[in-house]
Amino acid sequence: DAGVIQSPRHEVTEMGQEVTLRCKPISGHDYLFWYRQTMMRGLELLIYFNNNVPIDDSGMPEDRFSAKMPNASFSTLKIQPSEPRDSAVYFCASSSSAGPPYNEQFFGPGTRLTVL
Amino acid sequence: AQSVTQLGSHVSVSEGALVLLRCNYSSSVPPYLFWYVQYPNQGLQLLLKYTTGATLVKGINGFEAEFKKSETSFHLTKPSAHMSDAAEYFCAVSVGKAAGNKLTFGGGTRVLVKP
Repeated sequence: DAGVIQSPRHEVTEMGQEVTLRCKPISGHDYLFWYRQTMMRGLELLIYFNNNVPIDDSGMPEDRFSAKMPNASFSTLKIQPSEPRDSAVYFCASSSSAGPPYNEQFFGPGTRLTVL
Repeated sequence: AQSVTQLGSHVSVSEGALVLLRCNYSSSVPPYLFWYVQYPNQGLQLLLKYTTGATLVKGINGFEAEFKKSETSFHLTKPSAHMSDAAEYFCAVSVGKAAGNKLTFGGGTRVLVKP
């Protein structure tokens, strides 16, 4: 399997622009997670899905952030409008509830976002 | 709610010396515990995990961790550090399938290996 795929790997944009990050989970996994990593706040869970349904979005910082999972093989995290404080590395991870090694999350390589 | 505390945000060890990274957790139910490693500019990779059974868990790259319920700890060790161990290490806790595989991470410990 190719693992969790994220695109783009790097994104540089200007304040006020819309940013869309993309994720393809491992085939057959029924959980998908979006994280944000910054020096100040460490690794934060933003939102997670089970079977394409958002379960917990309490970590989404504000209404400028939205996430969707239209099907089992694709998810997006959108920031509109973007602000410099959104600069971070965004990770997507997936996991399976079907037998061992359940609970293990597999991480993508991340998208490094820079908002100027 | 569960939480994870990693003691020491930075650890410096000499090549060949013992690596010891400390992790304490709090959980109201039996936890599942994980150590992940993050190399520069990469995603997180699972080192090892404790679910049930044997409390001493062996992982990849010569790392191991011991679950001590009485101390609510899950410290990570490696007998002899290698230059390639320079990375950031994260301890995480999950309370199982009922919580939807959700992980709570500690703040991370960055390891520097000196020649």
